[in-house]
Amino acid sequence: NAGVMQNPRHLVRRRGQEARLRCSPMKGHSHVYWYRQLPEEGLKFMVYLQKENIIDESGMPKERFSAEFPKEGPSILRIQQVVRGDSAAYFCASSPGRSSGNTIYFGEGSWLTVV
Amino acid sequence: AQSVTQLDSQVPVFEEAPVELRCNYSSSVSVYLFWYVQYPNQGLQLLLKYLSGSTLVESINGFEAEFNKSQTSFHLRKPSVHISDTAEYFCAVSDPRQDKIIFGKGTRLHILP
Repeated sequence: NAGVMQNPRHLVRRRGQEARLRCSPMKGHSHVYWYRQLPEEGLKFMVYLQKENIIDESGMPKERFSAEFPKEGPSILRIQQVVRGDSAAYFCASSPGRSSGNTIYFGEGSWLTVV
Repeated sequence: AQSVTQLDSQVPVFEEAPVELRCNYSSSVSVYLFWYVQYPNQGLQLLLKYLSGSTLVESINGFEAEFNKSQTSFHLRKPSVHISDTAEYFCAVSDPRQDKIIFGKGTRLHILP
């Protein structure tokens, strides 16, 4: 049973470009979470999605950031017009839901560097 | 709203010495509690969790944590650390009625030779 798959592992973008990060949840998991990790700031919740629905996006910046989890295919975190402050590690996690006691399983992360 | 406080950003400890990583949470309802470990340049891995039942939970690599409701704590302990335990450790809390998990800022464990 493959784990949570994230790609790309490393991404370099120039200021103003777009970044797309992909996440395939574990088999059987219908819940996807995105977190951002900055040095010395820990793990910050961004968004929680279920298939075709955004359940909680309280941690998403109001502009330039969007997320989707379509019926088919991976979840996508999209950052438009990237700025240097967007440089961070972005982690995706998945869960089968409350039947697992809310346990979530993380991918290896995508490291975004904005130059 | 729930929150998690990890009081120590870094903890240095000598190899084979005991260690305690502190975690306190705030919540007005019952909670699920978790410890995750992150090795360098990797994702987070579940170390152990408390959902209900026995307040003392153990991991397969010798760590244990005790849920203390009166002190709202879930400290992580190991009686004898190994160099391979060098990592960052994250405490997390979740409301059983919701699906969101809130993480602390993490504690970096440094093992000294």
